[in-house]
Amino acid sequence: DAKTTQPNSMESNEEEPVHLPCNHSTISGTDYIHWYRQLPSQGPEYVIHGLTSNVNNRMASLAIAEDRKSSTLILHRATLRDAAVYYCILRDRGSTLGRLYFGRGTQLTVWP
Amino acid sequence: SAVISQKPSRDICQRGTSLTIQCQVDSQVTMMFWYRQQPGQSLTLIATANQGSEATYESGFVIDKFPISRPNLTFSTLTVSNMSPEDSSIYLCSVEHRLSSDTQYFGPGTRLTVL
Repeated sequence: DAKTTQPNSMESNEEEPVHLPCNHSTISGTDYIHWYRQLPSQGPEYVIHGLTSNVNNRMASLAIAEDRKSSTLILHRATLRDAAVYYCILRDRGSTLGRLYFGRGTQLTVWP
Repeated sequence: SAVISQKPSRDICQRGTSLTIQCQVDSQVTMMFWYRQQPGQSLTLIATANQGSEATYESGFVIDKFPISRPNLTFSTLTVSNMSPEDSSIYLCSVEHRLSSDTQYFGPGTRLTVL
């Protein structure tokens, strides 16, 4: 399973944008970039995923570097409810058969 | 989406005993997985629960310690056998619809404490 590198922690103020970086220099051409988050005392929840192009959904945006060696999860206006551990995961749909391998993730703190 | 329930939500057990955790999904799913999250740590995949056949275990996990059943497309169990304090963790199941957009849904977890 390919590796990702994320900062251990980040902080933000409420209603400000948050940019969560992820490095994946050994990404292969068939790896999708997935983001999940885990709120306190809950199971992880899907946030967003992409392959090459930037992606947007109701929760966040995913910006993928042109060489795909890094990506950034963007929360446009952080709320207190966004305080969570954010995991960046590479997944090859064919070889992993759905399996997810979690790294340590980034603990996001949101201040009121 | 999928709604997943786990039973029990938490338990305190004595060493040497076994506990079976149930995972129920509100719809038929192709893929079911079991994860462990030790205190203060990230999630570690234990195994893929295969319907009608033996589970596929990740490196470091064995069937004798973590037997898994999956009798149908909506239900699975994970047993933690001959428990020791090192097995104190949160155990989570997750599911994925084959036809979904690669989205995996997680249960709320079972918090296990072994004394």
